[in-house]
Amino acid sequence: KAGVTQTPRYLIKTRGQQVTLSCSPISGHRSVSWYQQTPGQGLQFLFEYFSETQRNKGNFPGRFSGRQFSNSRSEMNVSTLELGDSALYLCASSLVTGSKGTEAFFGQGTRLTVV
Amino acid sequence: AQSVTQLDSQVPVFEEAPVELRCNYSSSVSVYLFWYVQYPNQGLQLLLKYLSGSTLVKGINGFEAEFNKSQTSFHLRKPSVHISDTAEYFCAVREADSGAGSYQLTFGKGTKLSVIP
Repeated sequence: KAGVTQTPRYLIKTRGQQVTLSCSPISGHRSVSWYQQTPGQGLQFLFEYFSETQRNKGNFPGRFSGRQFSNSRSEMNVSTLELGDSALYLCASSLVTGSKGTEAFFGQGTRLTVV
Repeated sequence: AQSVTQLDSQVPVFEEAPVELRCNYSSSVSVYLFWYVQYPNQGLQLLLKYLSGSTLVKGINGFEAEFNKSQTSFHLRKPSVHISDTAEYFCAVREADSGAGSYQLTFGKGTKLSVIP
């Protein structure tokens, strides 16, 4: 069973550019969440999508956006990149079965470097 | 809102020695608790989780954790560590019975475990 796939694994962008990251969840998983990981701030929640709808959003500026497609694949976009956006971006998928406590499965992440 | 405190940012330990990584949380609602491990340049892998029931939970790779509601703690333990356990460990919480079903996790800052040969 394939895990969560994030592409690309590594990206280098210039300040002011925009970037799109992709996440393919585990087959059958309908919830996709995104997290930003930096040495200073640790792991911070960006947003969560379920059935193509944003269900929850973290405390990030509007430059950070996302979407989810009908096949549950998700993309996140960061516009007008800043140096501080350099981070590991992690995607997690969850199987929504109605039972409690379903765990989140993480991808390997996309390492974004802004220069 | 929830918060998670991992009391030690770095823990060095000799191979085959026991280890405990500490985690305390704060929440006004019931939560589920998780421990994840991250190896260099990798994503997060779930070690174990506490949902309800027995307060002692066993996970993969010989790890276990004990939920203590009165102390709002969820410490991770392993009786004998191996070199391959060198990694960063994250404690996380999620609101239980969140109704709308949000799977948002709140993480601690992480503890880097270094196993010394």
